[in-house]
Formats: sequence, structure tokens, C-alpha cells
Amino acid sequence: AQSVTQLDSQVPVFEEAPVELRCNYSSSVSVYLFWYVQYPNQGLQLLLKYLSGSTLVKGINGFEAEFNKSQTSFHLRKPSVHISDTAEYFCAVRYTSGTYKYIFGTGTRLKVLA
Amino acid sequence: ETGVTQTPRHLVMGMTNKKSLKCEQHLGHNAMYWYKQSAKKPLELMFVYNFKEQTENNSVPSRFSPECPNSSHLFLHLHTLQPEDSALYLCASSQTGPNSPLHFGNGTRLTVT
Repeated sequence: AQSVTQLDSQVPVFEEAPVELRCNYSSSVSVYLFWYVQYPNQGLQLLLKYLSGSTLVKGINGFEAEFNKSQTSFHLRKPSVHISDTAEYFCAVRYTSGTYKYIFGTGTRLKVLA
Repeated sequence: ETGVTQTPRHLVMGMTNKKSLKCEQHLGHNAMYWYKQSAKKPLELMFVYNFKEQTENNSVPSRFSPECPNSSHLFLHLHTLQPEDSALYLCASSQTGPNSPLHFGNGTRLTVT
């Protein structure tokens, strides 16, 4: 079965430090890859997506992610975090044909410390 | 008004009540979704509608009944719920096609007493 694994349920990091949130997926077919962010009491908001082309994808709020096909990973990075980045981050995959299903990871809670 | 709007934001209901959640999207999308978000669990897809037709029912209990009268509106009718149904219910929309991202509303926090 297809699955998405977010290896860290919580990541504490000091303000202005770099951060990496890890995402691995299992799929025998081509997928599109997404990162979403959820702030408290809100829905999910798209951060960035990988559809094709360059494996390094830039998103909003200074985030970027790198698609690694051989390692089936799509890790999210930011070189310097702010307090306002405190939120939950979800990795998701979607098949390139057929079903409309997204498969979401369980989320990583990023806590930025002053 | 833009984006995806969900009402109400909070709902408390008893197990014998009947209530409805409403979702409206102003993005011109053709697909609409209901997701359930519970603590420490992945988002659970409940229903998908594409051009008003239901294309996915992810083995959801019949006490949840969706309705999609047009491509802009989606309802989730609730009756005889259980306490374990307490969760955040998220509506989303997208264009058709797998490369289109989901656009979410802010959700309805449901508490079943």
C-alpha cells in the first residue's frame, strides 16, 4: 500500500536556526508531492509542490524542498526559522493518474523557540 | 469573499441530534472533498465530489451523509453521531487533475457529547 512517513512528530528549534522536516513515501508509480502547513485553528495551506522538472522546489515563507527519487524522499527545509513558523506541517503525495486520493503523512509539529 | 468557507466553526451536539456542516468555495473549482482530522492520525478522506458527482466514499458510516447540490457547495449531514466522531472536519476543493493542489477551509470543530 502507498504510504507517507514523516519521521518526526515534533521538532523544536531555536529562532534563526535552520530546520529540516523529513518526508519519505512509498509508491511504485509516479506521484506528485506537496507540503502543507496548518496554523492553530486553521485549515491546511499549500507551502509548495513538486510536479516535474527541477528537483529543488521553492515555496512560500522561505521554505524549499528537494525531491529525491532514488530515496523516495521530499524533505522540507528552511535556512532560518521565525517564531511565526510554529505550526504543523504535512507532507502529501498524489498519484499522477487515476484516483483523486491524496495520501497524507501524520504531520510534524514545528516549535520555534525564542 | 474568496477561498473556501466553512460554517459553523464550532459545533457541539448530542448523540441524538441532527446537524449539518456547510462548505462553500469561491475558486471556480470542480472537485470538493470532506476530510476528518483527529489528533495523532493522518487526515482521513471521507468523500470526494467531482462535477457534483460522488467519486469517492471512503467507507464512511452512514451517520455521515454528504450532499453536493452544485460545484460550489458541499454539505455534510450528521445524525446519531458517536463521541469518537468528535474531530475537526475540513472541506477542500481543487481543479480536476492530479497536479492541482487542495485548497482547505478553516474547518468545523465538532464535539459530540
